[in-house]
Amino acid sequence: DAGVIQSPRHEVTEMGQEVTLRCKPISGHNSLFWYRQTMMRGLELLIYFNNNVPIDDSGMPEDRFSAKMPNASFSTLKIQPSEPRDSAVYFCASSIRQGVNTIYFGEGSWLTVV
Amino acid sequence: GESVGLHLPTLSVQEGDNSIINCAYSNSASDYFIWYKQESGKGPQFIIDIRSNMDKRQGQRVTVLLNKTVKHLSLQIAATQPGDSAVYFCAENRPANNNDMRFGAGTRLTVKP
Repeated sequence: DAGVIQSPRHEVTEMGQEVTLRCKPISGHNSLFWYRQTMMRGLELLIYFNNNVPIDDSGMPEDRFSAKMPNASFSTLKIQPSEPRDSAVYFCASSIRQGVNTIYFGEGSWLTVV
Repeated sequence: GESVGLHLPTLSVQEGDNSIINCAYSNSASDYFIWYKQESGKGPQFIIDIRSNMDKRQGQRVTVLLNKTVKHLSLQIAATQPGDSAVYFCAENRPANNNDMRFGAGTRLTVKP
């Protein structure tokens, strides 16, 4: 079975550039989550969607970050403009139903902003 | 220079011994808990879950115990193997906070052969 699929797996970009991270959730899952993991702050929830609708984006650091879910099988997390402090691993995860079912994670997108 | 970051609790055990990893959660209304294992360079993987109406659940070589009185969760791994070396996270679902799932800082388990 295909799990949560993220791309790119690794990205190195220059400060000021736009970064787009992509995610395909597990088929049939109705909730999608974006997390960020750093040494300083651990695993943080950025935003999550239920049935393609953003429910809570209070974890999004600032206006430079935006996330969309145009359909049930695709989501993007965009950073524009990127800064060195955005360097982190960004995980996408999905679950059948938020709050009730297990969240399954992708392998992460490792972002380095120089 | 000195690196600054989360100082993960660490647990070092001998291969074959049992491991117990502990987690204190924050919200007495949390109703669902999950243990995840994260190996280096990979995403967190589901190990076992438990709902708040239970106090114990067993899987293959793993047992989760939930003590709601003191808001404490533990993961017991029987006959620990080198492949169990990883960072282990507990996560709690908080229904009063839009059902969001919050993760602990993690515990690094090292298994010595």
